[in-house]
Amino acid sequence: AQSVAQPEDQVNVAEGNPLTVKCTYSVSGNPYLFWYVQYPNRGLQFLLKYITGDNLVKGSYGFEAEFNKSQTSFHLKKPSALVSDSALYFCAVRVSGYSTLTFGKGTMLLVSP
Amino acid sequence: EAQVTQNPRYLITVTGKKLTVTCSQNMNHEYMSWYRQDPGLGLRQIYYSMNVEVTDKGDVPEGYKVSRKEKRNFPLILESPSPNQTSLYFCASSRQGQGAPYEQYFGPGTRLTVT
Repeated sequence: AQSVAQPEDQVNVAEGNPLTVKCTYSVSGNPYLFWYVQYPNRGLQFLLKYITGDNLVKGSYGFEAEFNKSQTSFHLKKPSALVSDSALYFCAVRVSGYSTLTFGKGTMLLVSP
Repeated sequence: EAQVTQNPRYLITVTGKKLTVTCSQNMNHEYMSWYRQDPGLGLRQIYYSMNVEVTDKGDVPEGYKVSRKEKRNFPLILESPSPNQTSLYFCASSRQGQGAPYEQYFGPGTRLTVT
Protein backbone atom coordinates (compact mmCIF):
# COMPACT_ATOMS: atom_id res chain seq x y z
CA ALA A 1 0.00 0.00 0.00
CA GLN A 2 1.19 3.49 -0.76
CA SER A 3 1.55 6.11 1.95
CA VAL A 4 2.74 9.65 2.53
CA ALA A 5 4.23 11.10 5.70
CA GLN A 6 4.44 14.77 6.55
CA PRO A 7 6.37 14.68 9.82
CA GLU A 8 5.64 18.24 10.89
CA ASP A 9 2.16 19.36 11.86
CA GLN A 10 3.28 22.96 11.72
CA VAL A 11 6.22 24.91 10.35
CA ASN A 12 6.96 28.44 11.53
CA VAL A 13 9.18 30.77 9.53
CA ALA A 14 9.82 34.50 9.43
CA GLU A 15 8.99 36.45 6.30
CA GLY A 16 11.96 36.63 3.95
CA ASN A 17 13.54 33.45 5.27
CA PRO A 18 13.70 30.22 3.27
CA LEU A 19 11.10 27.58 4.05
CA THR A 20 10.99 23.80 3.77
CA VAL A 21 7.96 21.57 4.23
CA LYS A 22 8.92 17.92 4.44
CA CYS A 23 7.34 14.93 2.74
CA THR A 24 8.37 11.29 2.51
CA TYR A 25 6.56 8.56 0.67
CA SER A 26 6.30 4.81 0.38
CA VAL A 27 5.17 3.10 -2.82
CA SER A 28 5.76 -0.03 -4.85
CA GLY A 29 7.03 1.23 -8.15
CA ASN A 30 7.83 4.65 -9.48
CA PRO A 31 6.03 7.49 -7.73
CA TYR A 32 4.19 10.45 -9.14
CA LEU A 33 4.33 13.17 -6.49
CA PHE A 34 2.23 16.28 -5.97
CA TRP A 35 2.02 19.29 -3.68
CA TYR A 36 -1.25 21.09 -3.01
CA VAL A 37 -2.03 24.15 -0.91
CA GLN A 38 -5.24 24.92 0.95
CA TYR A 39 -6.06 28.45 2.04
CA PRO A 40 -8.71 28.97 4.76
CA ASN A 41 -12.23 28.11 3.63
CA ARG A 42 -11.00 27.15 0.17
CA GLY A 43 -10.48 23.97 -1.79
CA LEU A 44 -7.05 22.59 -2.57
CA GLN A 45 -4.95 24.21 -5.27
CA PHE A 46 -2.27 22.43 -7.25
CA LEU A 47 1.29 23.74 -6.75
CA LEU A 48 3.60 21.35 -8.58
CA LYS A 49 4.25 17.74 -9.50
CA TYR A 50 7.07 15.33 -10.21
CA ILE A 51 6.58 12.76 -12.93
CA THR A 52 10.05 11.98 -14.24
CA GLY A 53 13.25 13.69 -15.27
CA ASP A 54 14.82 16.62 -13.44
CA ASN A 55 14.72 16.07 -9.69
CA LEU A 56 14.10 19.77 -9.02
CA VAL A 57 10.58 20.77 -9.95
CA LYS A 58 9.41 24.37 -10.10
CA GLY A 59 5.81 25.32 -9.53
CA SER A 60 3.40 28.13 -8.79
CA TYR A 61 4.03 31.15 -6.53
CA GLY A 62 7.81 30.60 -6.45
CA PHE A 63 7.63 27.17 -4.86
CA GLU A 64 9.87 24.29 -5.86
CA ALA A 65 10.35 20.72 -4.68
CA GLU A 66 13.22 18.30 -4.82
CA PHE A 67 12.68 14.62 -5.53
CA ASN A 68 15.16 12.33 -3.79
CA LYS A 69 14.68 8.71 -4.74
CA SER A 70 17.21 7.25 -2.31
CA GLN A 71 15.60 9.06 0.63
CA THR A 72 12.07 8.66 -0.77
CA SER A 73 11.44 12.33 -0.13
CA PHE A 74 9.81 15.22 -1.96
CA HIS A 75 10.35 18.32 0.18
CA LEU A 76 8.68 21.59 -0.73
CA LYS A 77 10.86 24.69 -0.67
CA LYS A 78 10.79 28.41 -1.26
CA PRO A 79 13.81 30.72 -1.07
CA SER A 80 11.98 33.63 0.56
CA ALA A 81 8.71 33.17 2.45
CA LEU A 82 5.80 35.60 2.31
CA VAL A 83 3.11 36.12 4.94
CA SER A 84 0.60 35.23 2.21
CA ASP A 85 2.18 31.77 1.96
CA SER A 86 0.60 30.89 5.31
CA ALA A 87 -1.69 27.96 4.55
CA LEU A 88 -2.10 24.20 4.86
CA TYR A 89 0.13 22.18 2.54
CA PHE A 90 -0.50 18.62 1.40
CA CYS A 91 1.86 16.18 -0.25
CA ALA A 92 0.30 13.37 -2.33
CA VAL A 93 1.47 10.32 -4.26
CA ARG A 94 0.17 7.89 -6.86
CA VAL A 95 1.95 5.16 -8.82
CA SER A 96 0.21 5.44 -12.17
CA GLY A 97 -2.30 7.51 -14.03
CA TYR A 98 -4.99 5.07 -12.99
CA SER A 99 -4.17 4.56 -9.33
CA THR A 100 -5.69 6.39 -6.39
CA LEU A 101 -4.09 9.53 -5.02
CA THR A 102 -2.94 9.22 -1.42
CA PHE A 103 -2.50 12.38 0.65
CA GLY A 104 -0.40 13.13 3.68
CA LYS A 105 -2.03 14.61 6.78
CA GLY A 106 -0.96 18.13 5.91
CA THR A 107 1.47 20.68 7.32
CA MET A 108 0.36 24.10 8.47
CA LEU A 109 2.83 26.77 7.38
CA LEU A 110 2.80 29.99 9.40
CA VAL A 111 4.88 32.88 8.11
CA SER A 112 5.30 35.72 10.59
CA PRO A 113 5.89 39.34 9.53
CA GLU B 1 -14.00 29.72 -16.19
CA ALA B 2 -12.76 26.18 -15.58
CA GLN B 3 -14.12 25.01 -12.28
CA VAL B 4 -15.53 22.29 -10.06
CA THR B 5 -18.71 23.25 -8.27
CA GLN B 6 -20.29 21.62 -5.25
CA ASN B 7 -23.67 22.12 -3.65
CA PRO B 8 -24.59 22.75 -0.98
CA ARG B 9 -21.57 24.42 0.61
CA TYR B 10 -22.92 23.93 4.11
CA LEU B 11 -25.40 21.38 5.35
CA ILE B 12 -26.72 20.46 8.78
CA THR B 13 -28.88 17.38 8.92
CA VAL B 14 -30.09 14.69 11.28
CA THR B 15 -29.11 11.07 11.57
CA GLY B 16 -30.78 8.86 9.01
CA LYS B 17 -32.07 11.53 6.65
CA LYS B 18 -30.86 10.76 3.13
CA LEU B 19 -28.89 13.50 1.43
CA THR B 20 -27.05 14.15 -1.81
CA VAL B 21 -24.10 16.44 -2.41
CA THR B 22 -23.77 17.41 -6.04
CA CYS B 23 -20.51 17.88 -7.93
CA SER B 24 -20.12 19.22 -11.43
CA GLN B 25 -17.10 20.09 -13.59
CA ASN B 26 -16.94 21.99 -16.86
CA MET B 27 -13.52 20.80 -18.07
CA ASN B 28 -14.61 17.58 -19.79
CA HIS B 29 -12.48 15.59 -17.34
CA GLU B 30 -12.69 11.82 -17.34
CA TYR B 31 -11.60 11.31 -13.73
CA MET B 32 -13.65 12.48 -10.74
CA SER B 33 -13.26 11.75 -7.07
CA TRP B 34 -14.69 12.45 -3.62
CA TYR B 35 -12.59 13.03 -0.51
CA ARG B 36 -13.33 13.78 3.08
CA GLN B 37 -11.04 15.96 5.19
CA ASP B 38 -10.84 15.47 8.93
CA PRO B 39 -8.46 17.17 11.39
CA GLY B 40 -5.25 15.21 11.80
CA LEU B 41 -6.20 12.74 9.08
CA GLY B 42 -5.66 14.76 5.94
CA LEU B 43 -7.73 13.89 2.89
CA ARG B 44 -9.06 10.40 2.44
CA GLN B 45 -10.60 9.17 -0.77
CA ILE B 46 -14.18 7.94 -0.61
CA TYR B 47 -14.98 6.96 -4.21
CA TYR B 48 -13.61 7.72 -7.63
CA SER B 49 -14.70 7.39 -11.23
CA MET B 50 -12.53 6.99 -14.29
CA ASN B 51 -15.35 7.68 -16.72
CA VAL B 52 -19.09 7.48 -17.22
CA GLU B 53 -20.60 4.41 -15.53
CA VAL B 54 -17.18 3.43 -14.08
CA THR B 55 -16.82 3.92 -10.33
CA ASP B 56 -14.67 2.32 -7.66
CA LYS B 57 -14.15 2.44 -3.92
CA GLY B 58 -11.46 4.54 -2.33
CA ASP B 59 -10.08 4.16 1.16
CA VAL B 60 -13.23 5.01 3.16
CA PRO B 61 -16.34 4.08 1.10
CA GLU B 62 -18.55 2.76 3.91
CA GLY B 63 -21.82 4.67 4.24
CA TYR B 64 -21.50 6.41 0.86
CA LYS B 65 -22.76 5.84 -2.67
CA VAL B 66 -21.92 7.53 -5.94
CA SER B 67 -23.08 7.46 -9.53
CA ARG B 68 -21.62 8.70 -12.80
CA LYS B 69 -24.37 8.89 -15.38
CA GLU B 70 -22.96 11.95 -17.11
CA LYS B 71 -19.35 12.93 -17.60
CA ARG B 72 -19.69 16.28 -15.87
CA ASN B 73 -21.57 15.16 -12.73
CA PHE B 74 -20.54 12.95 -9.84
CA PRO B 75 -22.99 13.16 -6.92
CA LEU B 76 -22.20 11.78 -3.47
CA ILE B 77 -25.11 10.09 -1.71
CA LEU B 78 -25.44 9.40 1.99
CA GLU B 79 -28.38 7.01 2.32
CA SER B 80 -28.49 7.11 6.13
CA PRO B 81 -26.06 9.69 7.50
CA SER B 82 -24.51 9.18 10.91
CA PRO B 83 -22.61 11.61 13.15
CA ASN B 84 -19.26 10.05 12.20
CA GLN B 85 -19.84 11.34 8.67
CA THR B 86 -19.62 14.90 9.93
CA SER B 87 -16.73 16.22 7.86
CA LEU B 88 -15.54 18.53 5.11
CA TYR B 89 -16.08 16.98 1.70
CA PHE B 90 -14.24 17.79 -1.51
CA CYS B 91 -14.96 16.79 -5.06
CA ALA B 92 -12.11 16.79 -7.56
CA SER B 93 -11.62 16.13 -11.26
CA SER B 94 -8.75 15.66 -13.68
CA ARG B 95 -7.84 14.41 -17.08
CA GLN B 96 -7.02 10.73 -17.19
CA GLY B 97 -4.03 8.91 -18.61
CA GLN B 98 -1.79 6.01 -17.68
CA GLY B 99 1.55 7.56 -18.51
CA ALA B 100 0.76 11.13 -17.59
CA PRO B 101 -0.92 11.49 -14.23
CA TYR B 102 -2.61 14.82 -14.23
CA GLU B 103 -3.18 17.17 -11.31
CA GLN B 104 -6.64 17.30 -9.80
CA TYR B 105 -8.87 20.35 -9.64
CA PHE B 106 -10.82 20.67 -6.41
CA GLY B 107 -14.21 22.10 -5.63
CA PRO B 108 -14.70 24.60 -2.78
CA GLY B 109 -15.85 21.97 -0.30
CA THR B 110 -19.06 21.02 1.48
CA ARG B 111 -19.14 21.19 5.25
CA LEU B 112 -21.56 18.56 6.51
CA THR B 113 -22.77 18.26 10.09
CA VAL B 114 -24.88 15.26 11.12
CA THR B 115 -26.59 15.54 14.51
